[in-house]
Amino acid sequence: QTVVTQEPTLSVSPGGTVTLTCGLISGSVSTTFYPSWYQQIPGQAPRPLIYNTNTRSSGVPTRFSGSILGKKAALIITGAQAEDESDYYCVLYLESGTWVFGGGTRLTVL
Amino acid sequence: QLQLQESGPGLVKPSETLSLTCTVSGGSIINSRYYWGWIRQPPGKGLEWIGSISYSGTVYYNPSLSGRVTISVDTSKNQFSLKLNSVTASDTAVYYCASVFVITPGDYFDHWGQGALVAVSS
Repeated sequence: QTVVTQEPTLSVSPGGTVTLTCGLISGSVSTTFYPSWYQQIPGQAPRPLIYNTNTRSSGVPTRFSGSILGKKAALIITGAQAEDESDYYCVLYLESGTWVFGGGTRLTVL
Repeated sequence: QLQLQESGPGLVKPSETLSLTCTVSGGSIINSRYYWGWIRQPPGKGLEWIGSISYSGTVYYNPSLSGRVTISVDTSKNQFSLKLNSVTASDTAVYYCASVFVITPGDYFDHWGQGALVAVSS
């Protein structure tokens, strides 16, 4: 069973930069997993931020970017704002049309 | 702009079958640029992919749920459905339906329903 890891909690100061990562218990995340990232405000449905590693979804601010850093996928927020306080989930595409979600990161902006 | 809406019972008894339907509006479910998925989220926990289906009926399931899950599509009603049998309390969750935008490679969940809370309890 594929297990995807994310930091359970992170914090960032307003205007600061924070990197959220998405890894595998065994192995490395590469572009061939086509990582995507979703933001979920508690009580709401998730919304897509990044897909195919580094492509921003429609309407997503440019302060959100995606990449591969070392052995993990990364979501970078540059110039964090108060409204970025939320839960963030990565998803990896496995073979034959299947996906696995990471456990999520709760980001605090303070 | 696609819109998705889940519907179904909010309470299911243990050992019975959970059934939900997702109605797609703002576009046809018969669209090779999309397929259709179910994701769930237990209270206070993370997201779990359940499975996905194309309009032609090709299905993919989470191996951890395979055997209990059936996803189907009804193109005449622009709907797709989820059935999860032999439910237990651990199946209590908010169930989301979502559209999967096909840009292969790199498909992703681009539109989501608002979610439907289903509790499993006697």
